[in-house]
Amino acid sequence: GIQVEQSPPDLILQEGANSTLRCNFSDSVNNLQWFHQNPWGQLINLFYIPSGTKQNGRLSATTVATERYSLLYISSSQTTDSGVYFCAVSTSGTYKYIFGTGTRLKVLA
Amino acid sequence: SAVISQKPSRDICQRGTSLTIQCQVDSQVTMMFWYRQQPGQSLTLIATANQGSEATYESGFVIDKFPISRPNLTFSTLTVSNMSPEDSSIYLCSAARGRSTSYEQYFGPGTRLTVT
Repeated sequence: GIQVEQSPPDLILQEGANSTLRCNFSDSVNNLQWFHQNPWGQLINLFYIPSGTKQNGRLSATTVATERYSLLYISSSQTTDSGVYFCAVSTSGTYKYIFGTGTRLKVLA
Repeated sequence: SAVISQKPSRDICQRGTSLTIQCQVDSQVTMMFWYRQQPGQSLTLIATANQGSEATYESGFVIDKFPISRPNLTFSTLTVSNMSPEDSSIYLCSAARGRSTSYEQYFGPGTRLTVT
């Protein structure tokens, strides 16, 4: 089955810093989402981005489907950005999402 | 988008007992799923909840341990049966609309289960 790897696994930033999170996947995908899991466990949808680039405030994401990776950019980080970031993908003909290994982010005040 | 609620939000249970988790979506959806997230781990799909028929389970998960119902398009339940401490996890319900080639999943707030 498809493998989804995220890097880095852990990241500590000072408030105001920028960061790039990466998601690599081993096969072509039809759907790709980025999620933020807050410290209370809630999964929050950030982007639906099977290809191309999107921006939402301080966050943006780019997926290069032909090269099988996606990037999540966080600019001017805030302490509320802390938590775990997951990418999840599904392949042709299936609704099933496979989740990546996650990046645990901690933003220090 | 879809607004999803789960009950209970958390519970502490004794080994050998069973717990049923409810998931309610605010409007009709195509697909509903149940995931497990063990402490410090990523999410793992347990099963796809099929409306009016038996759920489709992933490898490593069986109906006797995790019976699932979906009586209509907006409601599903997951039961964790004969619990052991290894079942301590967050259980999350999700829902999706659209075609398999283009859809977005939304998640409920999760049920945090501790088995003693």
